Amino acid sequence: ETGVTQTPRHLVMGMTNKKSLKCEQHLGHNAMYWYKQSAKKPLELMFVYSLEERVENNSVPSRFSPECPNSSHLFLHLHTLQPEDSALYLCASSSNPSNQPQHFGDGTRLSIL
Amino acid sequence: SQQGEEDPQALSIQEGENATMNCSYKTSINNLQWYRQNSGRGLVHLILIRSNEREKHSGRLRVTLDTSKKSSSLLITASRAADTASYFCASMDTGRRALTFGSGTRLQVQP
Repeated sequence: ETGVTQTPRHLVMGMTNKKSLKCEQHLGHNAMYWYKQSAKKPLELMFVYSLEERVENNSVPSRFSPECPNSSHLFLHLHTLQPEDSALYLCASSSNPSNQPQHFGDGTRLSIL
Repeated sequence: SQQGEEDPQALSIQEGENATMNCSYKTSINNLQWYRQNSGRGLVHLILIRSNEREKHSGRLRVTLDTSKKSSSLLITASRAADTASYFCASMDTGRRALTFGSGTRLQVQP
C-alpha cells in the first residue's frame, strides 16, 4: 500500500476514444504529478500541480488534459491519442515539491490500438 | 546526453555481493534522490541526499554525492535476490519543483 492509488491499472482504447485516468492520494500531500514511462526511455514529467494549481506543463500535447479538483485527486483526460502514447502513466504526490520525496502509484498501463 | 544518466544500464551479480550504480547530472541541484521500481509497479523512494551532504546511509544502502563532479553513486551491500529491480536516480534542479529522472540501472541478483 503506497498511499497513492491509480485506476484503472490497465486500459486499452482506440484512437478516437475519450477516457480518463484517475489518481488519489491519502497522504495529505499538496503536490501531485503525472509521468509517462515508455520502454527504454527515462521517466518523462508531464504535469505538476501544487496546491491544486498547475505549476509545470512539460510541453505535453493537448490531447492530454489534466485536472486537479482538490489536493487529493488528479485526473488525466485522454482524447484522440496516438499509438506512440502507449505507455505506463504514473501518478505521484509529495508534501513539498522542492525537497521531499515523491510517492508513486502503480500506474495505468495504456495501450492505444 | 540526458540529465541523470545511470551507469551501468544493466548489472548482474550473485547474492551476497555488493552492487554499485552511478549517476551523473548536468545542472545545479537542491537534492538528488534514488528510487527503485519492481516490474509492473510504481517507483519506491529509497533515499534523498541534499546538495550540502556528501554521504548518506539507510540500512544496506549507501549514497554518495559529489557536486563538483555532478555525480552520485548508490551502493547496495550484501545483495539479496529480492533486490532485483530497476534503480533510478532523480535530480531536483535548483529553482524547479519536479524531478528529472535518469534512464535507470536494471539490477539482477542471482540466488
